[in-house]
Amino acid sequence: NAGVTQTPKFRILKIGQSMTLQCTQDMNHNYMYWYRQDPGMGLKLIYYSVGAGITDKGEVPNGYNVSRSTTEDFPLRLELAAPSQTSVYFCASNSGIYNEQFFGPGTRLTVL
Amino acid sequence: AQSVSQHNHHVILSEAASLELGCNYSYGGTVNLFWYVQYPGQHLQLLLKYFSGDPLVKGIKGFEAEFIKSKFSFNLRKPSVQWSDTAEYFCAVNAASNTGKLIFGQGTTLQVKP
Repeated sequence: NAGVTQTPKFRILKIGQSMTLQCTQDMNHNYMYWYRQDPGMGLKLIYYSVGAGITDKGEVPNGYNVSRSTTEDFPLRLELAAPSQTSVYFCASNSGIYNEQFFGPGTRLTVL
Repeated sequence: AQSVSQHNHHVILSEAASLELGCNYSYGGTVNLFWYVQYPGQHLQLLLKYFSGDPLVKGIKGFEAEFIKSKFSFNLRKPSVQWSDTAEYFCAVNAASNTGKLIFGQGTTLQVKP
């Protein structure tokens, strides 16, 4: 199993550009999550999904969108990139709400 | 609102010293508790977790944590740290909802000097 994979690893965007961060898991997990990690702030939940076709907002959803058309994939979309979205983004999944979350390697995004 | 607080933001220890990292949460109901570790350049990995039962839980690499319900705390301990324990440590709480969402603390950076 590859676990949770994320692409790209690094990306630099200009203000106003858009992009999609990809996340795929091969563990057949129903639950998937997107977090952003900023220095000294821990991880903040952006969006989450409890199954294909079902998504909901987390703590910091503004400026982002998600979709979940399959169990495996949970892409995160930035429509109009802003410097405040410079961060490291982690995708995670788990098989049940009481189980540990498995994290991907992260995407380091810089918006200039 | 639920929150998680880690008291120490940056800890520097010498090898063989003992470690205790504090974690407190604010939520009055049933919780599941986790400690994750992020080694330099790597993704988050689970160190240990508490769901129920014995409040003293043991994890990987010699780490343990104690859940004290009356103090809303879940402190992480290790009797003797090694240089390879240099990493960032995150406490997280799942408020036993039907979504599995985690609330993370701010993180503690541990630097172990050889």
